[in-house]
Amino acid sequence: SAVISQKPSRDICQRGTSLTIQCQVDSQVTMMFWYRQQPGQSLTLIATANQGSEATYESGFVIDKFPISRPNLTFSTLTVSNMSPEDSSIYLCSVLDRDPWDTEAFFGQGTRLTVV
Amino acid sequence: AQKVTQAQTEISVVEKEDVTLDCVYETRDTTYYLFWYKQPPSGELVFLIRRNSFDEQNEISGRYSWNFQKSTSSFNFTITASQVVDSAVYFCALSNSGYSTLTFGKGTMLLVSP
Repeated sequence: SAVISQKPSRDICQRGTSLTIQCQVDSQVTMMFWYRQQPGQSLTLIATANQGSEATYESGFVIDKFPISRPNLTFSTLTVSNMSPEDSSIYLCSVLDRDPWDTEAFFGQGTRLTVV
Repeated sequence: AQKVTQAQTEISVVEKEDVTLDCVYETRDTTYYLFWYKQPPSGELVFLIRRNSFDEQNEISGRYSWNFQKSTSSFNFTITASQVVDSAVYFCALSNSGYSTLTFGKGTMLLVSP
């Protein structure tokens, strides 16, 4: 099973600033994803982080607001840019570990972001 | 399009009661995976179970059991003899075998009081 380390675990940021969240996996994985969980809500996929190419964003999310890097198969970053209080959420990194018979989905501990 | 419905927003029980969390899913795929996750107040997602669409056997793990019924597109989760530590938000999720992201339900908040 994959072990995911996500940093920071929480932060309080001023509006208008940017925060970069890091996701480190202990093994090489093909698929890495970023999710957002707004207060009291379910998880919503932001984007798929593609190694060596631009991330694939879901409807409602754009690269200028949520730039993503994926320099190798074990690491990715998500930046929340020009933050506003509406960006206050938990941001989670996820990986899928697949073999011919099954699929495991693992999540980082999450980054609890508060924008003031 | 995929969809997961957890109709129960919040459930309150007293310790030692049994409780069932409902999950109904929609998908056009014949091969898919179903998941349950627990999210305690600390915020991390704790993996509980994965079930693939070809395996309809029910599963029991300690006080937890899962009832997968393809005929009704349901994957319900039962906690037997609930404990205060079971208090959390529980998410049901669906993934197909090709596009690998998870579609989550809205979650059910379970409150277990002493």
